[in-house]
Formats: sequence, C-alpha cells, structure tokens
Amino acid sequence: AQSVSQHNHHVILSEAASLELGCNYSYGGTVNLFWYVQYPGQHLQLLLKYFSGDPLVKGIKGFEAEFIKSKFSFNLRKPSVQWSDTAEYFCAVTGGGADGLTFGKGTHLIIQP
Amino acid sequence: DTAVSQTPKYLVTQMGNDKSIKCEQNLGHDTMYWYKQDSKKFLKIMFSYNNKELIINETVPNRFSPKSPDKAHLNLHINSLELGDSAVYFCASSPGQGKQYFGPGTRLTVT
Repeated sequence: AQSVSQHNHHVILSEAASLELGCNYSYGGTVNLFWYVQYPGQHLQLLLKYFSGDPLVKGIKGFEAEFIKSKFSFNLRKPSVQWSDTAEYFCAVTGGGADGLTFGKGTHLIIQP
Repeated sequence: DTAVSQTPKYLVTQMGNDKSIKCEQNLGHDTMYWYKQDSKKFLKIMFSYNNKELIINETVPNRFSPKSPDKAHLNLHINSLELGDSAVYFCASSPGQGKQYFGPGTRLTVT
C-alpha cells in the first residue's frame, strides 16, 4: 500500500524567508507526485506535479519541488515566501490509473508579516 | 465556468438522517472520486468511479454509497448519519495520470 509522510505539521515563517516542506512516500511502482495547496476556506489547488523527466519541477506562484528517487522524497521549496502563502500544503502520490490520490497529513504554513 | 461543482456547499443535519451530496464535472473526464477531509485536515479517498467500475476504500462504512447517473455526475449518498461523519467532502475528476481537479467541497455538520 502506498503512503505519504509529511514531516512538518506546522511551520511558521516570516515574510521573505525560504521554505522547504518535506515529503517522503512509499510506493512499489512508478509514481506520480503532487503538491496541492488549500487556502483558508477554499478547495484544493494543484501547485505542481511530477510524472517523469526532469526531477526538478516548477509550479505556480514560485514554488518548485525536487524528486529524489533514491530518497523517496519530493520536497517543496520556495526561495522567498509571502504572507499570501499562508495555507495548508498537501503532498500526494498515485500510481496512476483510477486508484486516486494518497495524501500526506498536510503542513499548516503560517507566514508572519 | 466551474469545472467541478458540488451542491450543497454547506449541509447541517441531525443524526440518523439520510442525505446526498451532488457532484458534476464538465471536463469530459472518465474518472471521478470522493474524498473526505476530517477536522484535522487529513484527506482520504473514499471512492473512485471509472466507466462504471467502482473502487471502494475498504475503510468506508457501507452507509456511504456513490451513485453515478451518467459520466458527468457522481453523487454521494449517506444513510443514517453519525456525528463522526461531520467533515468536508470533496469531489474530484481526472483525465488520467493521477492529475485531479477538485470541487469546492461540501461541509457536512451532523448534530
């Protein structure tokens, strides 16, 4: 069975700080990896995804993530965060097909002005 | 145009009642899903539905049943509601490769 582990459940940063949120997954086959963001009171939005190819993927709003196969990791980064980045961030994995996404427990990110 | 829509947005009901949440997608996708987000924000898949094939997460109580009248709709029916069913329920649709488009969610409160 696949699983996703997000190491940081709550992160508090000041504006302009650099961000890295950890994500490790467990899956026995080819994986598709995702980061989703959920702003307060809103639905999930896709930040970025990795299917294959360049392991460094760039997403919306200045976010990027690096797939490191040997470490089963897909960490999310942003060099300089803004107050508007305050949200819940979810790492997710799927093997494709119709088996749906397996989510990590989320990281609640608070950016202080 | 809303790609994935859900109704209602909020649903407050009493224990023991039966309720339905509707989901519609206008993206032409073959696969649709229901997820549950609990009070701790943890998201867990409940069902996936692809070309009339239903895949059920074995941890979902059989009080929950998805119903798909056609390819664009996947409704969630819940019987005998319990306090623990209070959560936000998200519908999603997918064109494949795991990419999913989520609806706005339905916040269910059982009193």
